[in-house]
Amino acid sequence: GAVVSQHPSRVICKSGTSVKIECRSLDFQATTMFWYRQFPKQSLMLMATSNEGSKATYEQGVEKDKFLINHASLTLSTLTVTSAHPEDSSFYICSARGESSYNSPLHFGNGTRLTVT
Amino acid sequence: KQEVTQIPAALSVPEGENLVLNCSFTDSAIYNLQWFRQDPGKGLTSLLLIQSSQREQTSGRLNASLDKSSGRSTLYIAASQPGDSATYLCAVEWRSQGNLIFGKGTKLSVKP
Repeated sequence: GAVVSQHPSRVICKSGTSVKIECRSLDFQATTMFWYRQFPKQSLMLMATSNEGSKATYEQGVEKDKFLINHASLTLSTLTVTSAHPEDSSFYICSARGESSYNSPLHFGNGTRLTVT
Repeated sequence: KQEVTQIPAALSVPEGENLVLNCSFTDSAIYNLQWFRQDPGKGLTSLLLIQSSQREQTSGRLNASLDKSSGRSTLYIAASQPGDSATYLCAVEWRSQGNLIFGKGTKLSVKP
């Protein structure tokens, strides 16, 4: 079945630094990938929709200059958290659809646990 | 506003028991509804996807139902096992190629 790989699984960084998270579709092409964030005991919240070859679409309240998304190929999307602060500490997870039909399930990566000290 | 609600937030049952997890959603004009499993600190595993035209889906000991008119879905787990312990998430897609709106999940604990 469709596999989405996310790297790294865990990262600890100092406040003010930038962190890049990669999301790859391993056995399919994904023109659209979704980036979610999950705070403790909260539901997953969509941050942005990543579109191959064009600008990402950000949800209300998500700073596009802080969370840079690049979807340069049909199998790779990256999320860069710039000038990270402790409040950015969260679980970030990406997803992609294996087929173009809305009837196919969204597949998720294993997520990245970001801790900003 | 499109929202997904899951009740209960947590559930503890003895091994072998059959159980039902509930999911409700606003706005019945959905494209599909998906149930996921999330283990602590891990990503999501897709369990079942029900298309808007379907009433239920089954996979092994899992059965998910969908009643769009009432805005409800249930996930039935038969003969629960300790390995079923996880958080179960319900998510709804309201537009084609759109994102999923998630509930907060039900944390299930199956005790040996």
